[in-house]
Amino acid sequence: NAGVTQTPKFQVLKTGQSMTLQCAQDMNHNSMYWYRQDPGMGLRLIYYSASEGTTDKGEVPNGYNVSRLNKREFSLRLESAAPSQTSVYFCASSEVGVFGYTFGSGTRLTVV
Amino acid sequence: GQQVMQIPQYQHVQEGEDFTTYCNSSTTLSNIQWYKQRPGGHPVFLIQLVKSGEVKKQKRLTFQFGEAKKNSSLHITATQTTDVGTYFCAGYDGGFKTIFGAGTRLFVKA
Repeated sequence: NAGVTQTPKFQVLKTGQSMTLQCAQDMNHNSMYWYRQDPGMGLRLIYYSASEGTTDKGEVPNGYNVSRLNKREFSLRLESAAPSQTSVYFCASSEVGVFGYTFGSGTRLTVV
Repeated sequence: GQQVMQIPQYQHVQEGEDFTTYCNSSTTLSNIQWYKQRPGGHPVFLIQLVKSGEVKKQKRLTFQFGEAKKNSSLHITATQTTDVGTYFCAGYDGGFKTIFGAGTRLFVKA
């Protein structure tokens, strides 16, 4: 089925550990995004990639890095996880300004 | 920077009652989008409004975009239990980013 696939769905990390969240889309969209969602805070943009080969910071980039591996894939890396990074992470893709975003099913991350 | 405010934060309704959520942007928008997120799920795109004063309907849902393209509303007529979830507006300013409101969580009592 066409859409955005995120892995893993759940993850528990210890403080200081690192991990990479994977995201892939098969809709040939140029733009991809990483959001985090915390209770009462809505969706906050971490990083985005307007097109293959480019990445830019969003509202809350500190503690994260991203890689746009190719047009399909956009990964999010936590180099040294902190409890404040406990959240639900969503990857999304779109064609800029044309249609809405298509979101993945999310990764629920807990940092202890 | 651009901000998108959404009210109310929560709304409890009896099944059959109407529901409205409002969205206000600090800047003029190119378009506004609405999403629904079921509990435990991911946001799902509902609709996009582009023109000043635009009104669109999807069954019991009515979406409006203000004349100044800085505010929008979503109205649900005769809510059903299947309407439960969080409704987000998202404002696009013509760049590469869409800013999401904090969402309105709708609870429907049968």
